[in-house]
Amino acid sequence: DVKVTQSSRYLVKRTGEKVFLECVQDMDHENMFWYRQDPGLGLRLIYFSYDVKMKEKGDIPEGYSVSREKKERFSLILESASTNQTSMYLCASRPGLSPQHFGDGTRLSIL
Amino acid sequence: ILNVEQSPQSLHVQEGDSTNFTCSFPSSNFYALHWYRWETAKSPEALFVMTLNGDEKKKGQISATLNTKEGYSYLYIKGSQPEDSATYLCAFERYNAGNMLTFGGGTRLMVKP
Repeated sequence: DVKVTQSSRYLVKRTGEKVFLECVQDMDHENMFWYRQDPGLGLRLIYFSYDVKMKEKGDIPEGYSVSREKKERFSLILESASTNQTSMYLCASRPGLSPQHFGDGTRLSIL
Repeated sequence: ILNVEQSPQSLHVQEGDSTNFTCSFPSSNFYALHWYRWETAKSPEALFVMTLNGDEKKKGQISATLNTKEGYSYLYIKGSQPEDSATYLCAFERYNAGNMLTFGGGTRLMVKP
């Protein structure tokens, strides 16, 4: 069974902090994704990566960056956290054209 | 940004009721339509991936249909049970979009015992 692991279920940070959200998958999937989920807005794509060191902007990349140094790990970085980045963050991986496999999510609060 | 809409936004039904909800998506450059089920405190899990116009998929009491020409998909649940309570997400996959999905806002289903 595919396992996508996000480093924290809940995280509280302060405005202006640099925040790292980590995601690891154990199935050698090429594609990895970061989404945020807000009430009534569904899942919105922040960034995705289709290979090591490759990244593409999604629909809402502003205020975020990503890093993929190894195939199994995809990190989301909030360069200077702001209160409007309080949200649920979901990581997913996908082997080619099959369905996505999701992590359990990180509920991030920025105070 | 692609427009993928789901309706209704939420739905309350009694145990044993059958229900259905809708996902509408762009009818051009269609590649696939995904349905996911997301229970509270769990991760979303894939229900169906549909690629052909007229496709029908079934998993237990849940089924889905696809109309790519008019840009909609229906998800049906026959005889809802409390354990069917979840948010149901559809996601549109555009042709040649590098494996990206565009999600709708979801339909939150609550089934009362």
